[in-house]
Amino acid sequence: EAGVTQFPSHSVIEKGQTVTLRCDPISGHDNLYWYRRVMGKEIKFLLHFVKESKQDESGMPNNRFLAERTGGTYSTLKVQPAELEDSGVYFCASSQESGDTFTDTQYFGPGTRLTVL
Amino acid sequence: GQNIDQPTEMTATEGAIVQINCTYQTSGFNGLFWYQQHAGEAPTFLSYNVLDGLEEKGRFSSFLSRSKGYSYLLLKELQMKDSASYLCAMGSWGKLQFGAGTQVVVTP
Repeated sequence: EAGVTQFPSHSVIEKGQTVTLRCDPISGHDNLYWYRRVMGKEIKFLLHFVKESKQDESGMPNNRFLAERTGGTYSTLKVQPAELEDSGVYFCASSQESGDTFTDTQYFGPGTRLTVL
Repeated sequence: GQNIDQPTEMTATEGAIVQINCTYQTSGFNGLFWYQQHAGEAPTFLSYNVLDGLEEKGRFSSFLSRSKGYSYLLLKELQMKDSASYLCAMGSWGKLQFGAGTQVVVTP
């Protein structure tokens, strides 16, 4: 079974440009999460989808970030316009909808390393 | 808040045992998770605790005490491949809140 995949693995853009990150969760996983790790800091939650609906977007830093999950399969995270402080590693994770979201194990993708110059 | 504290780095010898502590201040959470992350790779799930006590999974065990506000991950029979960052994370309604991670260095 394929794990969580993310594309691209690396992205280098200039300040003010737009970047779109993609995440393909494990097949059949209804829960999809986005996290971010900026240099020297811990991994921080951005948002949580259940199928195509945003369950919790309390971690989204500002309105320059837009996440979508049309059709409840893959998800995209767009940053527009990108700023220097957006640099970091963006992780996606997915989990099955077991009815007990409290302890569903999240499986992480390898991340997209974003560098904004 | 849910400040999560872990030691920054620990060094141990191949074949030895290492205990990574994780302390927190929180008003509530559902489960306490441990992940392993090798440099440049995805965090990989190791273990979790919902109730107080010890959960054993082969060479890795995790312990939780809610009343004392701490958890630990125990790594036994250390192997060179265990050199990695170990992340403590609190799960609340699906969302994970991570500590900064503990870098474990295994020496021959």
